Amino acid sequence: QSVLTQPPSVSGAPGQRVTISCTGSSSNIGAGLDVHWYQHLPGRAPKLLIYGNINRPSGVPDRFSGSKSGTSASLAITGLQSDDEADYYCQSYDSSLSGWVFGGGTQLTVL
Amino acid sequence: EVQLEESGGGLVQPGGSLRLSCAASGFTFSAYSMNWVRQAPGKGLEWVSYISSSSSTIFYADSVRGRFTISRDNAKSSLYLQMNRLRAEDTAVYYCARDPSRGRPGYFDSWGQGSLVTVSS
Repeated sequence: QSVLTQPPSVSGAPGQRVTISCTGSSSNIGAGLDVHWYQHLPGRAPKLLIYGNINRPSGVPDRFSGSKSGTSASLAITGLQSDDEADYYCQSYDSSLSGWVFGGGTQLTVL
Repeated sequence: EVQLEESGGGLVQPGGSLRLSCAASGFTFSAYSMNWVRQAPGKGLEWVSYISSSSSTIFYADSVRGRFTISRDNAKSSLYLQMNRLRAEDTAVYYCARDPSRGRPGYFDSWGQGSLVTVSS
């Protein structure tokens, strides 16, 4: 069981908007620690999508956006495209565990 | 261009040892903290270990503490993970990942392609 909780799967039609939630606790997200998001395709290196809750690295389209409130964070993807199909992970740091933690991952299906 | 390339994976028996390497290029390796992250078959990402740029600070996940040792050689731009007393549950693809943060727990902005470690008799 992961320290950060994500839905196992989400889906949407091309062009639609989807959101992926990431729920933590008072020892990680709720403690003010940042949330970061990754896209992972099987057999490929994970790719950083969002860092510091809301920031996009250069080259990441503005269709991807992040937000954070309380003990939760969300990744929103607008204008869904077929090549957005991947696994998405949130990540933070847990002060009780003294280590970096990931969500269990969310598989996005573009219908 | 930042490049990270893992090597050293393979098949090992339970209780055995293996040493992973990660060769870095395209950036000043000595200026960055580095991590190992793994993904077991059918599972999610799991952080394994962290080492600061000067090797002065090291952390391990509870699942590997006492069995794995992270190290680096800044002169060779290389990161290592010595894995001892391997268990079946250590079977995973192991990624090295760069942390660009300064002074607070960070994130992973560049990743290698991964090296598969299989622990089986």
